[in-house]
Amino acid sequence: GDSVTQMEGPVTLSEEAFLTINCTYTATGYPSLFWYVQYPGEGLQLLLKATKADDKGSNKGFEATYRKETTSFHLEKGSVQVSDSAVYFCALAGAGSYQLTFGKGTKLSVIP
Amino acid sequence: EPEVTQTPSHQVTQMGQEVILRCVPISNHLYFYWYRQILGQKVEFLVSFYNNEISEKSEIFDDQFSVERPDGSNFTLKIRSTKLEDSAMYFCASSGIGIASYEQYFGPGTRLTVT
Repeated sequence: GDSVTQMEGPVTLSEEAFLTINCTYTATGYPSLFWYVQYPGEGLQLLLKATKADDKGSNKGFEATYRKETTSFHLEKGSVQVSDSAVYFCALAGAGSYQLTFGKGTKLSVIP
Repeated sequence: EPEVTQTPSHQVTQMGQEVILRCVPISNHLYFYWYRQILGQKVEFLVSFYNNEISEKSEIFDDQFSVERPDGSNFTLKIRSTKLEDSAMYFCASSGIGIASYEQYFGPGTRLTVT
């Protein structure tokens, strides 16, 4: 079945550091790929998405590119802020399905 | 900004009891979902609901679970006879139609504790 693997956390960075959170997936066909973010005490929020190969999703300075050849969707941000501290989830929806399959989540802490 | 709401935020129940978790999806959304996250584990899909019927469900969603949209605003998850292993955070989500159906908006969750 479909699966998502993302890098283990927690990740601690200093403010303005570069962020990469790796995400790889296994799925048949052409899934849609997502990054969700969960701030403390809140629900999951859609951060960005990509629905086909080579698409780049971007939002709030975060980017991720759908790489079919490496089955990856790594999340990047050039300069993190303290307010980016949260748990980040990579997810996919298989072709023809709205069911989301999530990775385990990566907790990011940004220190001033 | 419209949001998905869930009640209660925390529910404690005894093993074998029935619980109903409630959700109010975003008003113009047509797809509704339940997910759960056992502490320390992945967020797992339970069920999706469209046009007053289940459209997809996972292996977790057995006969002990049911969903209902009793009126035009609420979407509920019922667990008939709770087990210790049902303790988890339960998230409701909703999405629109067409391309927007891929953008699921999540509620803050209900933490269910079964003792």
